[in-house]
Amino acid sequence: ETGVTQSPTHLIKTRGQQVTLRCSSQSGHNTVSWYQQALGQGPQFIFQYYREEENGRGNFPPRFSGLQFPNYSSELNVNALELDDSALYLCASSAVGANEQFFGPGTRLTVL
Amino acid sequence: DAKTTQPNSMESNEEEPVHLPCNHSTISGTDYIHWYRQLPSQGPEYVIHGLTSNVNNRMASLAIAEDRKSSTLILHRATLRDAAVYYCIPPLIQGAQKLVFGQGTRLTINP
Repeated sequence: ETGVTQSPTHLIKTRGQQVTLRCSSQSGHNTVSWYQQALGQGPQFIFQYYREEENGRGNFPPRFSGLQFPNYSSELNVNALELDDSALYLCASSAVGANEQFFGPGTRLTVL
Repeated sequence: DAKTTQPNSMESNEEEPVHLPCNHSTISGTDYIHWYRQLPSQGPEYVIHGLTSNVNNRMASLAIAEDRKSSTLILHRATLRDAAVYYCIPPLIQGAQKLVFGQGTRLTINP
């Protein structure tokens, strides 16, 4: 059974650019959540996707957007990057109604 | 939303039990209490969850106070690999899958 994978592992962008991060969910999981973790902080919920629809959103601006595909993989897109967007972006998958979420290793984004 | 309070850091010795406390005085009667941990350079991983009674699994035990205003994660015999940040997480009202992480407790294990 393959766990949650994320790509790329590291990324450097400049302010104002756009970025796309990718996540492959664990086999059999149809729900994907994205989190942002700033250095020294706990992860913050960005949004969740269930069956290709957004199913809840945290306190993040609209320039953070996402997609979920029929195979349940997902993308996180961030437009007009700001310095404060530098963080570890975590993806987590779960089966609907399950208590346990499975996290990937994250993508470290640095905005210069 | 329910709030949690945890000590910023704790320290213990290898092969000794560790008790990690969490206060969640505003938790509602139907909220599950979840614990996750995050090892260095990794994503968080699920540890355990419970509602009212004490819970055990291969990783840890969860002792929940009778009034549910606090809980304690118990590592029965800590190893160096248990060094991590431990998060006590109540769910949002909307659903158990949208996790709210606080600062957590950074657990250091001394050899």
